[in-house]
Amino acid sequence: DTEVTQTPKHLVMGMTNKKSLKCEQHMGHRAMYWYKQKAKKPPELMFVYSYEKLSINESVPSRFSPECPNSSLLNLHLHALQPEDSALYLCASSQDEGGTEAFFGQGTRLTVV
Amino acid sequence: GIQVEQSPPDLILQEGANSTLRCNFSDSVNNLQWFHQNPWGQLINLFYIPSGTKQNGRLSATTVATERYSLLYISSSQTTDSGVYFCAGGDSGNTPLVFGKGTRLSVIA
Repeated sequence: DTEVTQTPKHLVMGMTNKKSLKCEQHMGHRAMYWYKQKAKKPPELMFVYSYEKLSINESVPSRFSPECPNSSLLNLHLHALQPEDSALYLCASSQDEGGTEAFFGQGTRLTVV
Repeated sequence: GIQVEQSPPDLILQEGANSTLRCNFSDSVNNLQWFHQNPWGQLINLFYIPSGTKQNGRLSATTVATERYSLLYISSSQTTDSGVYFCAGGDSGNTPLVFGKGTRLSVIA
């Protein structure tokens, strides 16, 4: 099983809302990632968790708050987003941080109104 | 960090044609992957290929690590091959994947 599951698939939220994106994997992977993809652009790294600890934050604004409750789950908490934050948010996992094959979820398509 | 360049940016093929997509990277890699992104946004793993050659059906890939490039071959293309093909690499510092800008492939019947 090489599945990474993301929920919800689609999300529309207002600029004053608080919402969360969820990601789950059961492959025993110890590294998990959040990427952001704007239309017609490649995915860009946001955060990396390794062994449940935040190891990379690519200078992401604080309105995005990641959380790794356990080795199988990764959340992205959203608060006070802007319309320009509308994008496809992709979660990925790999056996270890870097150097091993990464697997991606199907993404959450977020629209901020 | 590593830079990944893909070519061509766009490609239109007649069904049944063959094609070669190229990925150049700026530094040595210990992770190199090819993905196909379908119209719904899902990134589908095609190959994990930091070096050598692999084949999977009509697709094959070759990475020449010493010359810092990788090639993806698509033979006998089908309309279902349409989409965006991404190459992504991580350097020897075990950095996370950095994506190229992709090749947008359209296969027409």
